[in-house]
Amino acid sequence: AQSVAQPEDQVNVAEGNPLTVKCTYSVSGNPYLFWYVQYPNRGLQFLLKYITGDNLVKGSYGFEAEFNKSQTSFHLKKPSALVSDSALYFCAVRTNYGGSQGNLIFGKGTKLSVKP
Amino acid sequence: DTGVSQDPRHKITKRGQNVTFRCDPISEHNRLYWYRQTLGQGPEFLTYFQNEAQLEKSRLLSDRFSAERPKGSFSTLEIQRTEQGDSAMYLCASSRTSGGARSTDTQYFGPGTRLTVL
Repeated sequence: AQSVAQPEDQVNVAEGNPLTVKCTYSVSGNPYLFWYVQYPNRGLQFLLKYITGDNLVKGSYGFEAEFNKSQTSFHLKKPSALVSDSALYFCAVRTNYGGSQGNLIFGKGTKLSVKP
Repeated sequence: DTGVSQDPRHKITKRGQNVTFRCDPISEHNRLYWYRQTLGQGPEFLTYFQNEAQLEKSRLLSDRFSAERPKGSFSTLEIQRTEQGDSAMYLCASSRTSGGARSTDTQYFGPGTRLTVL
């Protein structure tokens, strides 16, 4: 079965410091991986995705993620955090085998808190 | 560029009542997905359409739930005889895909409909 794990419920970072939000996955075949951000009472906003190619993926708002096949990880990173980055972050893997064609399986989410 | 819209944004109902939610996808997006999100959890897949065809339904989608996309544009999700356990945020997403398991399209989400069943 395909799954996504976000081991940290919450990450606290000081403004200006680098941030990392962790994600590990379990899939059959090649993974299609996504990061979304959710602000309070809002839907999910797409940040970036990994399909194939370069292991370092750059996305919106200065975020990037590193795909590591040997560690089955897809951690989200940003060199310098902003207070406005405070939100809920979701990692997701896309189903891509068998009879299922495309729904996303999400992790439980990680709450990022950036303090001034 | 109009994003995915959902209506209503909030719905409060009494147990046993029927409710219907609407989703309008991004124009020309041929796939439309429904997810459910409960507090402290990530979204869980319910069902999806490619054009007007409902191609997959999750086991989470009990027989009280029904979804339609009659003309391949907007979609409705109906819950009959609501239960308190149905209280959740219902999210709609859409994407434009060339089809098949190798498709790499990105799903764009609407703001959600928050359902509270009393």
